[in-house]
Amino acid sequence: GIQVEQSPPDLILQEGANSTLRCNFSDSVNNLQWFHQNPWGQLINLFYIPSGTKQNGRLSATTVATERYSLLYISSSQTTDSGVYFCAPGNQGGKLIFGQGTELSVKP
Amino acid sequence: NAGVTQTPKFQVLKTGQSMTLQCAQDMNHNSMYWYRQDPGMGLRLIYYSASEGTTDKGEVPNGYNVSRLNKREFSLRLESAAPSQTSVYFCASSEPPHSRGEQYFGPGTRLTVT
Repeated sequence: GIQVEQSPPDLILQEGANSTLRCNFSDSVNNLQWFHQNPWGQLINLFYIPSGTKQNGRLSATTVATERYSLLYISSSQTTDSGVYFCAPGNQGGKLIFGQGTELSVKP
Repeated sequence: NAGVTQTPKFQVLKTGQSMTLQCAQDMNHNSMYWYRQDPGMGLRLIYYSASEGTTDKGEVPNGYNVSRLNKREFSLRLESAAPSQTSVYFCASSEPPHSRGEQYFGPGTRLTVT
């Protein structure tokens, strides 16, 4: 199955800073999502992005499927951005394979 | 729209007891999924249902059974709970066309087996 590697595993930012989270995957995919898990455990959909680039406010994501990686950009970070960010690619019948996540802490 | 709902939110079981986790979605999605999340880890797929009337095993199916009751509902049953099944369980559904759509997740059920 697909192997997923996310980096960095942990990240501490000062409020207002920018960051880039990376997701490498080992096989071709036809599905890829980014999620934010907030401190209460809720999973929030950020992007459905099997290829290309999307932007939503301060967040944007790029997937280069041919090179098997995806990037999540967070600009002007806020304390509410804290939590764990998961990348989840998939290539079989809609099944997603989750990475281990990047734990982000934004300090005021 | 409520999206994906799960019941119960919390449950404590003794080893050997059984229980059913309920999941329902009101988005007319074809596909539904059950995942588990252990501390400090990503989610792992237990079972999924590509469409009403079908179910298939995921990565970690042992100790679980599922039922796709109708298009809206997908339940997960633990017949004889074990401490290794202590976890947070998430249900998800995906929009048509199935297998390539964005998945939407419920709020989770936190299960402790003592």
